[in-house]
Amino acid sequence: AQSVTQLGSHVSVSEGALVLLRCNYSSSVPPYLFWYVQYPNQGLQLLLKYTSAATLVKGINGFEAEFKKSETSFHLTKPSAHMSDAAEYFCAVSDGGANNLFFGTGTRLTVIP
Amino acid sequence: GAVVSQHPSRVICKSGTSVKIECRSLDFQATTMFWYRQFPKKSLMLMATSNEGSKATYEQGVEKDKFLINHASLTLSTLTVTSAHPEDSSFYICSARPRWTKHYGYTFGSGTRLTVV
Repeated sequence: AQSVTQLGSHVSVSEGALVLLRCNYSSSVPPYLFWYVQYPNQGLQLLLKYTSAATLVKGINGFEAEFKKSETSFHLTKPSAHMSDAAEYFCAVSDGGANNLFFGTGTRLTVIP
Repeated sequence: GAVVSQHPSRVICKSGTSVKIECRSLDFQATTMFWYRQFPKKSLMLMATSNEGSKATYEQGVEKDKFLINHASLTLSTLTVTSAHPEDSSFYICSARPRWTKHYGYTFGSGTRLTVV
């Protein structure tokens, strides 16, 4: 079984500051991990994914995430926050098979000018 | 590539009527599509897995007679909310995955905001 825990339902950062959104996973098999972003009243857009290749994954909009098996973590980071980064972020896990994604509860990122 | 179109984006209907939501994969074939429901300020709840040419698999607690799913082709799945009630008001999102790869990743539609009055 897979599950994801996102610590912090709401994160606020100043514009230009480091963004760190936390995600820990639980999986009985090697996981596939994803980060999605959702803007108000819109669907989810894939930021990046880990599928057992490089542990440091670079995504769109300057985001990246590092898969750390020893810590069962897949935290999302961005060196410098931009106002347009304000959104809801979801971490998700899958077993890579035919199953669906299991989502975390989401983290709302607020960027303070 | 891997674009999913969901329609309508917003719908208001009267209580007791039915509403159909379409999910189309525009540039790939999807044997599997997923339907989610998202409550305000909440995460996505998987409702059902739609399989082309066969019956959908519903998650526990989801009424299959209430939420009818049809996946008649490799590019189209529909969700029909039957005899809608105000408590069915929510944001519904579909996702799909190309059939030609085990795990390319999931692409999501833009969602449908359903309001039942």
